[in-house]
Amino acid sequence: EVQLVESGGGLVKPGGSLRLSCAASGFTFSNFGMNWVRQAPGKGLEWVSCIDRTSGYIYYTDSVKGRFTISRDNAKNSLYLQMNSLRAEDTAVYYCARAPSSGWYNDYWGQGTLVTVSS
Amino acid sequence: DIQMTQSPSSVSASVGDRVTITCRASRSISSWLAWYQQKPGKAPTLLIYSASTLQSGVPSRFSGSGSGTDFTLTISSLQPEDFATYYCQQANSFPLTFGGGTKVETK
Repeated sequence: EVQLVESGGGLVKPGGSLRLSCAASGFTFSNFGMNWVRQAPGKGLEWVSCIDRTSGYIYYTDSVKGRFTISRDNAKNSLYLQMNSLRAEDTAVYYCARAPSSGWYNDYWGQGTLVTVSS
Repeated sequence: DIQMTQSPSSVSASVGDRVTITCRASRSISSWLAWYQQKPGKAPTLLIYSASTLQSGVPSRFSGSGSGTDFTLTISSLQPEDFATYYCQQANSFPLTFGGGTKVETK
């Protein structure tokens, strides 16, 4: 069974940092690209970043470029999102999601981890 | 960036109704489109990808069509478990973008 479990969310002050982790199991992690998608309270879905199988291709949405860094450790079956210079508008539930071989869709999602940026 | 516009933003329907949701891309995305269902407090689930391919395990009452800029998600006979919010997502180019969502509510 495919499982994705996020951790690392919490309350942080504006300008602070957090590192999110996503532990993957039930599939060969190194064979799949991965996405981070977020959802602000009461709002829609927003794609944040993606990384391909070998970390050779990495993309970000404009609003997080230069502040967030996506990475992965295939030996540990883990995906990460380092978030620096956090802003109130980064407050959201952050989901990690697997991208199937058919394209940059999201076929399995974690349960999400809440990041709250507030003073 | 490719903008994805969904309509309507909400729809009131009854069990057994046929429900149609549309998604329009600001430029052609070929068939690089997915549809997701999200229930309150839960992560989204993938329903359809490549515009019309049903994800494994998804009931056949869900179907998708379209290519280029105009796409449709149809629920042929609405079931109680289908009341949820639906999102489209383009996978043609980065940044990946989602539509604003369509909430299917009880009439």
